[in-house]
Amino acid sequence: EDKVVQSPLSLVVHEGDTVTLNCSYEVTNFRSLLWYKQEKKAPTFLFMLTSSGIEKKSGRLSSILDKKELFSILNITATQTGDSAVYLCAVEGLKAAGNKLTFGGGTRVLVKP
Amino acid sequence: GAVVSQHPSRVICKSGTSVKIECRSLDFQATTMFWYRQFPKKSLMLMATSNEGSKATYEQGVEKDKFLINHASLTLSTLTVTSAHPEDSSFYICSARVFLAGYEQYFGPGTRLTVT
Repeated sequence: EDKVVQSPLSLVVHEGDTVTLNCSYEVTNFRSLLWYKQEKKAPTFLFMLTSSGIEKKSGRLSSILDKKELFSILNITATQTGDSAVYLCAVEGLKAAGNKLTFGGGTRVLVKP
Repeated sequence: GAVVSQHPSRVICKSGTSVKIECRSLDFQATTMFWYRQFPKKSLMLMATSNEGSKATYEQGVEKDKFLINHASLTLSTLTVTSAHPEDSSFYICSARVFLAGYEQYFGPGTRLTVT
């Protein structure tokens, strides 16, 4: 059974700090790893990673995947209060019955002014 | 990016009634859509995979007679919660799979169902 574990469960930082979120996984026939940000409604897409060692960047957010050690990190630099959210990591595996995403439990980030 | 809409965003119904939730891909065609359920402060739990023109694939433990899924067109999937009970109250989210840089999944805004 596919498994995704995120750490830490939650963290509190102050504006301007840098945060690093971790996601480790076990999946059959890995296809991709995705990061989402969830505020009050449904998750919004951040990144999709398929190759090891290639950093994806969007503004103050960046992410990288290590397919050998089976983990990914999401970095947020110069945090702002608007970054407060739950960050979800999901892994897609190729399955005979069809591909699907398995989600981790999420990391709740609170950025204080 | 790809836009997915859901309707309604919020619904309150009485026990024993049925509720239909619609999920639409607005600017792309989606051969595959997914339905998730999320409890408060918990992660998303996949309920079923909806394939256009064929039967949905349900995850273990999800009752297919209770959660009816129809994917009649490339832009619309519906989830009907039949004979709803208070324990069905939850946040239901759909997503659609689209090939952009690779296969990506975009989520609808979710539907909060409250069964009284």
